[in-house]
Amino acid sequence: ETGVTQSPTHLIKTRGQQVTLRCSSQSGHNTVSWYQQALGQGPQFIFQYYREEENGRGNFPPRFSGLQFPNYSSELNVNALELDDSALYLCASSSGTEATGELFFGEGSRLTVL
Amino acid sequence: GEDVEQSLFLSVREGDSSVINCTYTDSSSTYLYWYKQEPGAGLQLLTYIFSNMDMKQDQRLTVLLNKKDKHLSLRIADTQTGDSAIYFCAESIKGGGADGLTFGKGTHLIIQP
Repeated sequence: ETGVTQSPTHLIKTRGQQVTLRCSSQSGHNTVSWYQQALGQGPQFIFQYYREEENGRGNFPPRFSGLQFPNYSSELNVNALELDDSALYLCASSSGTEATGELFFGEGSRLTVL
Repeated sequence: GEDVEQSLFLSVREGDSSVINCTYTDSSSTYLYWYKQEPGAGLQLLTYIFSNMDMKQDQRLTVLLNKKDKHLSLRIADTQTGDSAIYFCAESIKGGGADGLTFGKGTHLIIQP
């Protein structure tokens, strides 16, 4: 059973550019959530995808968008990058039927915006 | 709005018990979680408790919930060097994460030899 994998692990962008981050969910999981973790902060919920549809969204602007594919892998896209977007972006997968909502996190993609 | 508060640092001697505290503001919280994050790693779920429970024990971990005071604690018995990490308290209303988890800023647990 493979865990949650994210790519790339590190990347550097400049302000105004666009970025795509990728996530492969754990085998058997149909739900993917994305979180932003700024340095010294706890993770903040961006959105969740369940069976290819956005299932919930946190307080992030529309320039944060996502996709989920039929194999339940997912992408996070951020347009018009700002300096404050520098953070660790965490993907978590879960089984949509689990009442406990246990999330299995990947190791994250660290984005630096210059 | 929702808010989860934790103290930033806790230092304990190896072999002692560690108690990490957390307060939350949303009385609708249904599920409360403790996650562990080691350097360079993602978050690992340690344990969770439903809001209709007062206590949950799992090996060296004991979770206490005071719903009236909106206070959650995690006790780690016989703390070891491998317990050194950042511990996050989190809450959710819906469970399943559909509304997202609201995390605190994390407590850095430092183990003294």
